[in-house]
Amino acid sequence: QKEVEQDPGPLSVPEGAIVSLNCTYSNSAFQYFMWYRQYSRKGPELLMYTYSSGNKEDGRFTAQVDKSSKYISLFIRDSQPSDSATYLCAMSGFYGQNFVFGPGTRLSVLP
Amino acid sequence: DTGVSQDPRHKITKRGQNVTFRCDPISEHNRLYWYRQTLGQGPEFLTYFQNEAQLEKSRLLSDRFSAERPKGSFSTLEIQRTEQGDSAMYLCASGGSSAYEQYFGPGTRLTVT
Repeated sequence: QKEVEQDPGPLSVPEGAIVSLNCTYSNSAFQYFMWYRQYSRKGPELLMYTYSSGNKEDGRFTAQVDKSSKYISLFIRDSQPSDSATYLCAMSGFYGQNFVFGPGTRLSVLP
Repeated sequence: DTGVSQDPRHKITKRGQNVTFRCDPISEHNRLYWYRQTLGQGPEFLTYFQNEAQLEKSRLLSDRFSAERPKGSFSTLEIQRTEQGDSAMYLCASGGSSAYEQYFGPGTRLTVT
């Protein structure tokens, strides 16, 4: 079993749709949970982070962490064609010495 | 540009040659990470520096890989005796005082022929 699992997609949705992206993990030591967006041939860009369990909202983006189920989610409301990218979940321990990334989900938002 | 920079952006080398990549982090950041990313996969952690000290190294990292950060500023990643399986994007990231922070550079794409 991989340490972090993520549906690779690809996922295609119409513009304006609500998108749900998910990851599961196995290491209960993870404390920080991040979502990155990566455009083709670019480095990943941090979108949101959550410390421990709970929800966090930033504009059209909502991140949720359920540590009891070892499950994290990213919701994108009113999706736009510019949201088309690969979305990576990532996790680290308290001191941020070792980040583990999921394989990424490729999202296409169709106009 | 005050972001993370990497040099070169692309490198083509023949199998068996040595290559070295450079990363210049954001100037006030004391944490620096190296990752490798292949097509369709997320970044795979290679090593972590806090200032000049290498504090973490992936068990998956073979002895052909070595990284340095001599004065706690820029870092280099060297791959000796390259193999075709080393072909990948090599990403550098730097982080400040918050443990969740990582800002990635544009990467160095290595092709081993």
